[in-house]
Amino acid sequence: DAMVIQNPRYQVTQFGKPVTLSCSQTLNHNVMYWYQQKSSQAPKLLFHYYDKDFNNEADTPDNFQSRRPNTSFCFLDIRSPGLGDAAMYLCATSRDVGLAYEQYFGPGTRLTVT
Amino acid sequence: GQSLEQPSEVTAVEGAIVQINCTYQTSGFYGLSWYQQHDGGAPTFLSYNALDGLEETGRFSSFLSRSDSYGYLLLQELQMKDSASYFCAVGGRDDKIIFGKGTRLHILP
Repeated sequence: DAMVIQNPRYQVTQFGKPVTLSCSQTLNHNVMYWYQQKSSQAPKLLFHYYDKDFNNEADTPDNFQSRRPNTSFCFLDIRSPGLGDAAMYLCATSRDVGLAYEQYFGPGTRLTVT
Repeated sequence: GQSLEQPSEVTAVEGAIVQINCTYQTSGFYGLSWYQQHDGGAPTFLSYNALDGLEETGRFSSFLSRSDSYGYLLLQELQMKDSASYFCAVGGRDDKIIFGKGTRLHILP
């Protein structure tokens, strides 16, 4: 089945220790998104790629970086995690330009910072 | 800027009908989406309205009034498995959507 896969599902990192979360998709969708979701809150868009074009949200901290080496994979790098970065990180895709209303989400990676 | 308002919680009885409202303020409005998210799970797309009117998909329907900047999600024949959070989201000209804060639906047996 076509899907969005995130690894790992649970990640524990130490304060200040860089961490990378990964996302892959078999849907062959052009757009990929990274969201941060904290408990009982809405998903907050960090950035998205249309193909290789990177689009950063204005309020996304510099501590968060992303890479999309090819259509299928996208990575979220947190350079120096703080306690406030503990959250669920969701990867999503949409098929193409103008179709952002229908997004397909991966199961998420729950990040704990100790 | 963009903003969305939806109730934080709604409670209904199994088998009943419930409506979750969403009002929005946005520039360059393209459409209103609805997503369902169970505890610990990922959001799942439910519906999308770009034009005024009602869209029906099984037990779920979604309505949009562009002139009122208002929409709602209607859930019929409620089942316990419908207990979840429901997010409305608006899309603009770019390839992204902004989510509302979500409505937690509690269903009583």
